[in-house]
Amino acid sequence: EPEVTQTPSHQVTQMGQEVILRCVPISNHLYFYWYRQILGQKVEFLVSFYNNEISEKSEIFDDQFSVERPDGSNFTLKIRSTKLEDSAMYFCASSAGTTPYEQYFGPGTRLTVT
Amino acid sequence: GIQVEQSPPDLILQEGANSTLRCNFSDSVNNLQWFHQNPWGQLINLFYIPSGTKQNGRLSATTVATERYSLLYISSSQTTDSGVYFCAVERGYSTLTFGKGTMLLVSP
Repeated sequence: EPEVTQTPSHQVTQMGQEVILRCVPISNHLYFYWYRQILGQKVEFLVSFYNNEISEKSEIFDDQFSVERPDGSNFTLKIRSTKLEDSAMYFCASSAGTTPYEQYFGPGTRLTVT
Repeated sequence: GIQVEQSPPDLILQEGANSTLRCNFSDSVNNLQWFHQNPWGQLINLFYIPSGTKQNGRLSATTVATERYSLLYISSSQTTDSGVYFCAVERGYSTLTFGKGTMLLVSP
């Protein structure tokens, strides 16, 4: 069964450093998403991406964040200058964009900022 | 935005017991999904169920869209069922809004 993959599974970085989280969505899907989950809290939406542009973003997704689809398979989330409060699990998801509108989640990248 | 409330927040069961988890949402939705978050933090898709009833082994789910709630049933619970169960809904065609989850602990 097709699945969403994410790399790395765990990333440790120092405050102020740039990080890039990578995702490979399911191949025939058209909508891509990033969510994050701070430890012990609920999962929160960050951004959705369709047709090579951001379709929606939350207030969390400020100028420190950017997304890109550099080629036909990868979908990346960049954090320009990490802060301690960026420590979280980051999930990538994709959906076909047609019914059923189910979103498929990757296994997540645990980001630790020290 | 849409509100999602899950109950109970915590649940402790003996292995073999049955349980019902509830998800209430504040507006009509076109997508509702149940997830299980395992101890490694992975979100496992359980059901895509904007309406109706589905079953998968010991788990089943029912969504009554007109009354804005969904139920997740776990029968004959096992220790491997432990973890956090999230309900998430989508009102438009873009973002999922998650509830705070039900933390389930199944003891042997």
